[in-house]
Formats: sequence, C-alpha cells, structure tokens
Amino acid sequence: AQTVTQSQPEMSVQEAETVTLSCTYDTSESDYYLFWYKQPPSRQMILVIRQEAYKQQNATENRFSVNFQKAAKSFSLKISDSQLGDAAMYFCAYRREGGSEKLVFGKGTKLTVNP
Amino acid sequence: GAGVSQSPSNKVTEKGKDVELRCDPISGHTALYWYRQRLGQGLEFLIYFQGNSAPDKSGLPSDRFSAERTGESVSTLTIQRTQQEDSAVYLCASSLDTYGYTFGSGTRLTVV
Repeated sequence: AQTVTQSQPEMSVQEAETVTLSCTYDTSESDYYLFWYKQPPSRQMILVIRQEAYKQQNATENRFSVNFQKAAKSFSLKISDSQLGDAAMYFCAYRREGGSEKLVFGKGTKLTVNP
Repeated sequence: GAGVSQSPSNKVTEKGKDVELRCDPISGHTALYWYRQRLGQGLEFLIYFQGNSAPDKSGLPSDRFSAERTGESVSTLTIQRTQQEDSAVYLCASSLDTYGYTFGSGTRLTVV
C-alpha cells in the first residue's frame, strides 16, 4: 500500500522568508500524482500545487514551488516570501494513476508564520 | 452549487446513537469521496463513489459505517451505534477529473 510521510509536525518561518516542507512517499507505481493541500482553521482543504510523476519539470504556482525527486520518492514544498495568510496545516497527498482515485495523505505539518 | 456543501457543520451525539452526515457535491462532479480526520491527524480515506460504478468501500473502519449516493447527487454517511473513537471531522470531496478535487468544510462529530 502507498504511504505518505511528513516528518515535520511543526515548522515556523518569519514573514517574507522562505520555508521548505518535506514529504516522502512509498509506492511501486511509476505513474502517479502528488499534491500539496493547505488546511486553514476553516477546515476546508485547499489545493496548493500538484505534480504529475511523468513530468520532470518541477511545478510552480506563484510563491509555491516543489522539488520533486522521483528516484528518491521525495516531494518537498517551498514557500517563498511567506505571508501571514500562509499559516495553516499543510498536507502532502498521493494518488496513483488509474483505478480508485482516492488520495492518500500524510499526517500534516503545522506552519506558523511569525510577523 | 458553487462548492461542496456539508451538513451539519457540527454534531454532538450521545454514545450509541446513530448519525447521518450529508454531502452535496458540485453539480456535474461524477466522483465523491468521504474522509475522516481525527484531531491532529491526516485524512483517512473512507469511501469513494464514481458514477454508477460499485463504490470503493475499502476504507470503512467497521460495519457500523455505511454510505449511499444516489446517481451523481447527494451522499449520506451513516454511523450506527456511535462510539467515542468516532469523534472526528468528516470531510467530503467531489471531482470531475484527475486534478479537480474540491473539499467541503466538513462535519465535526463529537460523541459524548
């Protein structure tokens, strides 16, 4: 079974600085998708960024970018120019290609942004 | 609607009672998922509906849990004879394709 591991239960960053959240996963599949979701206190999961495993180029979305290392099964999220509104729980998630489309989540990293 | 709607937002129930949680997906989304999130934990997959196919129930933790979905519309998650360990936030999501998962704000269930 696929598993997703986030080794940092909590992280903090100063406003305007850069922070990197770690994620590793275990799978025997070659085609799959990876996601980072943000969960503010409102509880709603918000998609931050996604990556297709067949793409070598790292995904970027404005201040958010990933470092996808397929061989190492690593998928870290970099947040640049951190803002107070970035404070939330961040979850890494995996979905395999085909079959059931369920997402497998890590346990999350709580990000605090200090003014 | 514009988003995934879940009701109730919060539910407090006595141990042993049955509860029903409701999810209204985005219109036209063929896939619907239920997840459970215990305090301080990630999301645990419960069940997945895709169109008229048989649902994937592999994540349901016990036979006290069941879910239904009529066509591509509303889904209800039912928990019978609730236990304290059922206390959690129950999140619903719907999607039309590989990427477009949209989550609701969840139902916080507290069993006392």
